[in-house]
Amino acid sequence: SAVISQKPSRDICQRGTSLTIQCQVDSQVTMMFWYRQQPGQSLTLIATANQGSEATYESGFVIDKFPISRPNLTFSTLTVSNMSPEDSSIYLCSVEKGTSDEQFFGPGTRLTVL
Amino acid sequence: GENVEQHPSTLSVQEGDSAVIKCTYSDSASNYFPWYKQELGKRPQLIIDIRSNVGEKKDQRIAVTLNKTAKHFSLHITETQPEDSAVYFCAAGGFQKLVFGTGTRLLVSP
Repeated sequence: SAVISQKPSRDICQRGTSLTIQCQVDSQVTMMFWYRQQPGQSLTLIATANQGSEATYESGFVIDKFPISRPNLTFSTLTVSNMSPEDSSIYLCSVEKGTSDEQFFGPGTRLTVL
Repeated sequence: GENVEQHPSTLSVQEGDSAVIKCTYSDSASNYFPWYKQELGKRPQLIIDIRSNVGEKKDQRIAVTLNKTAKHFSLHITETQPEDSAVYFCAAGGFQKLVFGTGTRLLVSP
């Protein structure tokens, strides 16, 4: 597996503002993903972060709301834009090394929007 | 797209009993089926996985079975211990995408 860190670990934000979450891996990985986990719920894939190109978004998620960057093979950011209380959730990045299909998760960012 | 259903939503057992969690999937192209354990406030941890060319896989007290024809797979935990208490998620997919089940809250009472 890989050592994955996320910043911030938690934040409380005001409605209408934006927050950028960082995901850092200690080694190069082929794939990086962003998930949302609402309180007491399952994990929902937001998008696949592609190195050097635009992210691939899942149905229901759009780039204007969740812009993603992946400038290299060890780092990615997810921005939650123009936040509303419905965006309160845990946001997790995950990584896949090689072509194993195995995904390993970061510790998550707990976001509360007031 | 893929749809994964998971049952039961909650499961209470006595320490030492066995626990079984079942999942069904819809996309016959799915070829990778991992199971994750998530303790309260922690990240999901990959505990075991199985691929479509295998029917069963064991790792100490945990095992996973896969029935491709019926499109269902199960997690079996034997000799449960209080530290097995957590939420367990199944997932189905492969090709660099996973769809997760709704989760099973397992409570193991001493």
